[in-house]
Amino acid sequence: ETGVTQTPRHLVMGMTNKKSLKCEQHLGHNAMYWYKQSAKKPLELMFVYSLEERVENNSVPSRFSPECPNSSHLFLHLHTLQPEDSALYLCASSQDPRVGRGGTQYFGPGTRLTVL
Amino acid sequence: TQLLEQSPQFLSIQEGENLTVYCNSSSVFSSLQWYRQEPGEGPVLLVTVVTGGEVKKLKRLTFQFGDARKDSSLHITAAQPGDTGLYLCAGGSQGNLIFGKGTKLSVKP
Repeated sequence: ETGVTQTPRHLVMGMTNKKSLKCEQHLGHNAMYWYKQSAKKPLELMFVYSLEERVENNSVPSRFSPECPNSSHLFLHLHTLQPEDSALYLCASSQDPRVGRGGTQYFGPGTRLTVL
Repeated sequence: TQLLEQSPQFLSIQEGENLTVYCNSSSVFSSLQWYRQEPGEGPVLLVTVVTGGEVKKLKRLTFQFGDARKDSSLHITAAQPGDTGLYLCAGGSQGNLIFGKGTKLSVKP
């Protein structure tokens, strides 16, 4: 138990569906991250939120839409996804964006997403 | 583009053997972290090294950061089946972490 929880753990959706992934951290951190982990590829950073503001968007398609309502919660809204978006989506958090970004990140267990 | 190359990509050994996995880059990193990820779970931090030449030990695991802060190694002594997993290195740079593809280790009893 790392203090970062993600729901759901598994999700199967069609290309026309709309769904959301949820992440919650109980560590008092103020930076949160979304990563995509595909087979045979390094973890890909998607979005970074620091103090509830988006500070990074690594050329992610608009069919992925993040939301950070407060420093403990992070969402990833999904719509009209493609089969190649099937992957493990990991959430992470860290302490103090001035130090934590590039420092120690704590990961959730991930959501295994399958797009049919 | 900063890249971290990990080798070997796959490693299958018997319980009790020693092993070393490597993480190399042409870029300098401010810090380097090692994570272990088990199937169906997120990566779990093992260690962070920040000083060139630094060596850290965690029970049977020994981590070394290269003098130039471009590479790192992880040595496991007397591997056990519980060490099985994906070992990821990640370099800290410009506020983000750059991950390698990982070494998938399987330790057979």
